[in-house]
Amino acid sequence: DTGVSQDPRHKITKRGQNVTFRCDPISEHNRLYWYRQTLGQGPEFLTYFQNEAQLEKSRLLSDRFSAERPKGSFSTLEIQRTEQGDSAMYLCASSAISGGAYNEQFFGPGTRLTVL
Amino acid sequence: AQSVAQPEDQVNVAEGNPLTVKCTYSVSGNPYLFWYVQYPNRGLQFLLKYITGDNLVKGSYGFEAEFNKSQTSFHLKKPSALVSDSALYFCAVRPFTGGGNKLTFGTGTQLKVEL
Repeated sequence: DTGVSQDPRHKITKRGQNVTFRCDPISEHNRLYWYRQTLGQGPEFLTYFQNEAQLEKSRLLSDRFSAERPKGSFSTLEIQRTEQGDSAMYLCASSAISGGAYNEQFFGPGTRLTVL
Repeated sequence: AQSVAQPEDQVNVAEGNPLTVKCTYSVSGNPYLFWYVQYPNRGLQFLLKYITGDNLVKGSYGFEAEFNKSQTSFHLKKPSALVSDSALYFCAVRPFTGGGNKLTFGTGTQLKVEL
């Protein structure tokens, strides 16, 4: 499968613990995005990388959240001191840069986080 | 700031009948518009996009969407619905220029196709 992959698919943690999620984009894609989706809502943008540079962050990304893409390939999203309000599906997406056109984003299956 | 409205939480249609899922948007300048579909416990799958050009855009699985600039709408359509089309559908927008690269999504419309 050459699509976007995310690990783990499910994570249950206790409030106050730290969690880290991984995303592997489609190999030739330069851009990588993180979104959060809660029940009954559409995905909400968190942050975006072009290669290894983090170019945009949402106000939703509090200082407890940090994302990295150290070699411009896979990315990690860490949440420190988790809160029950962090319970959500965390989606990763990637897209290519070609011809100056804006290309669609391809999404992974998501990581479902439950904070007890 | 951009926004998307999907006014119907759920749309029910009989198999074989045409379907329409509505979307209106607000954005500064011209938009990029997208439709995605989400099946249970799976990520979003891209269906189609409007960038520029023809107002009628054709996409995957027989879906199409019509861009209407004066009404700021981008309704998703299919001439003949299938039970397998039952899923959650999201409309998304991004400004043509500026606004970063993020997509802004609507709240989704649950499509239920019945025999």
